[in-house]
Amino acid sequence: QSALTQPASVSGSPGQSITISCIAPSSDVVGYKYVSWYQQHPGKAPKLVIYDVANRPSGVSNRFSGSKSGNTASLTISGLQAEDEADYYCSSYTTISTVIFGGGTRLTVL
Amino acid sequence: EVQLVESGGGLTQPGGSLRLSCAASGFTVGSNSMSWVRQAPGKGLEWVSVIYSGGSTYYTDSVKGRFTISRDSSKNTLYLQMNNLRAEDTAVYYCASGWKYFDLWGRGTLVTVSS
Repeated sequence: QSALTQPASVSGSPGQSITISCIAPSSDVVGYKYVSWYQQHPGKAPKLVIYDVANRPSGVSNRFSGSKSGNTASLTISGLQAEDEADYYCSSYTTISTVIFGGGTRLTVL
Repeated sequence: EVQLVESGGGLTQPGGSLRLSCAASGFTVGSNSMSWVRQAPGKGLEWVSVIYSGGSTYYTDSVKGRFTISRDSSKNTLYLQMNNLRAEDTAVYYCASGWKYFDLWGRGTLVTVSS
């Protein structure tokens, strides 16, 4: 199965907002209802920040939000902070009970 | 504290085998769907396998027939038996709770396949 498509990198200044897109290649992503997003700092395990398109786990800052339009999901981080600098991955459950990930986006806080 | 701790990684030659373990605490492996996700050095995340709470298992195409996911409820531990390993299986292997999203992750164990 094809991976989800993310931009390789995005950047923003402290206090600004950024959006990372995640494009599904086909219709095998269960209507794209089960999109999740992960934050990964260097040398650390990934951390779930958004699940089921727009839900935020307990303990995750409300500066993180998710949305979807058609076959494109998006992660928006508002009020950028230095600690947000990390790699971000989207993923989606598929119609054949597997999970596919995007290639990852490196967020740089300028 | 709820946590997952992987072990069993190491260096093996192509064609070799390894069994990874993921010990859970504060969390019941048998009552939850559990997955393995790997990350090759400097690369992105790749889903490997899932075992649903009901016992069904699924694998990514590249490991079908070579990897087997299982669990031991009495030991509260998840396993990944990896046979006929290839160089491209070199990665950090994470166990994680969940089947459509992964809300609890271990710290990972490194598997290196090289001659």
